[in-house]
Amino acid sequence: DIQMTQSPSSVSASVGDRVLITCRASEGLNTWLSWYQQKPGKAPKLLIYAASSLHTGVPSRFSGSGSGTEFTLTISSLQPEDFATYYCQQASSFPLTFGGGTKVEIK
Amino acid sequence: QVHLQEWGPGLVKPSETVSLSCAVSGDSIASQSWSWIRQAPGKGLEWIGYYYYIGRTDYNPSFRGRVAISLDTPNNQISLQLTSVTAADTAVYYCARQEVGYSGNYFAFWGQGALITVSS
Repeated sequence: DIQMTQSPSSVSASVGDRVLITCRASEGLNTWLSWYQQKPGKAPKLLIYAASSLHTGVPSRFSGSGSGTEFTLTISSLQPEDFATYYCQQASSFPLTFGGGTKVEIK
Repeated sequence: QVHLQEWGPGLVKPSETVSLSCAVSGDSIASQSWSWIRQAPGKGLEWIGYYYYIGRTDYNPSFRGRVAISLDTPNNQISLQLTSVTAADTAVYYCARQEVGYSGNYFAFWGQGALITVSS
């Protein structure tokens, strides 16, 4: 199985801050990586697919970059509604696997 | 708009079989691929398996043959069956539409989830 490692596991930030979350894969993924946002008690929501493609309706302050084994999710200016847990997911091979999550908390 | 809604028995005894269903509206299940994903309390996401639209299934080997996913096409529902459950199977179970293509495999539409608790 491809192992996905996210860092940091949690981050404290203020509204307006730029936040970067990293995801590393144990094998090369090309650009087959997705990012999700999950709020407590809710299902995950797709933010980014194919490493850098913004899903329909997702604000442009979210962006993704990277290829191979290292990827980054950037929130350019953190908004109150962005406090949540973020997961990466490798979309390359089965079984599909997720990172352990990064919780973005209010500073 | 695609909408997914899961349901299940809620509480299951150890060693029993749990069956969950997922009703889909706004899409035909026969023309798409569908996954089940679960999340244990306070934990991350775990992919269980999927039904590929050409009629093939693929499962996470970690479930060691305990899982089966099927389609009920007349009712536009997807089913998950998990056998020999233990407390470790306590989780929220999500169904999701799996996009399969040159952009890889990812999940654009999710249900709200169904909590399954395994306890005697």
